[in-house]
Amino acid sequence: DTEVTQTPKHLVMGMTNKKSLKCEQHMGHRAMYWYKQKAKKPPELMFVYSYEKLSINESVPSRFSPECPNSSLLNLHLHALQPEDSALYLCASSQGIKDRGYTFGSGTRLTVV
Amino acid sequence: AQRVTQPEKLLSVFKGAPVELKCNYSYSGSPELFWYVQYSRQRLQLLLRHISRESIKGFTADLNKGETSFHLKKPFAQEEDSAMYYCALMEGAQKLVFGQGTRLTINP
Repeated sequence: DTEVTQTPKHLVMGMTNKKSLKCEQHMGHRAMYWYKQKAKKPPELMFVYSYEKLSINESVPSRFSPECPNSSLLNLHLHALQPEDSALYLCASSQGIKDRGYTFGSGTRLTVV
Repeated sequence: AQRVTQPEKLLSVFKGAPVELKCNYSYSGSPELFWYVQYSRQRLQLLLRHISRESIKGFTADLNKGETSFHLKKPFAQEEDSAMYYCALMEGAQKLVFGQGTRLTINP
């Protein structure tokens, strides 16, 4: 298995809802990432987990809450989002070795109404 | 701050013509650079790593530390090369920073 799988592919939520995005990989990668990509913009890093511990938080608002239950799974819990949070949320994983690059999932397209 | 600059938002060339997508970077250490590609309706995928010095789908990229550049080149463009291309720099061991991207269109 050489893929990063994200669910759901699409999500519409109200500003008072609580939802979660899920990401899974079975490549034995020890680092996992959440990126946010707005339309016609590059991906921007949100969080990095290394060996299941949060190692980077790019000053993301607390309405986004990441969780790494085990080495294969990464969640992003969403609560009280704003319409401007609508974007494509990408999960990625890597071996954690600097020169190896990331493997990206296909993303969850989130719309906040 | 570390930066990756892709000066061209859009690039259009004819099939069979050479292609060069420009990327310049600023980084205080020894850079690890990548090219990622996003085809229409597909996921972002790794195209090249500078350290591997490989050719993928006919594309090559050479790191020029003197000019702080990592341009992506292909001698003869194909229609299937039409996509969004991102140059990216690894900051530290874990943070991948992307340039703004260049949308390449290959005209028949």
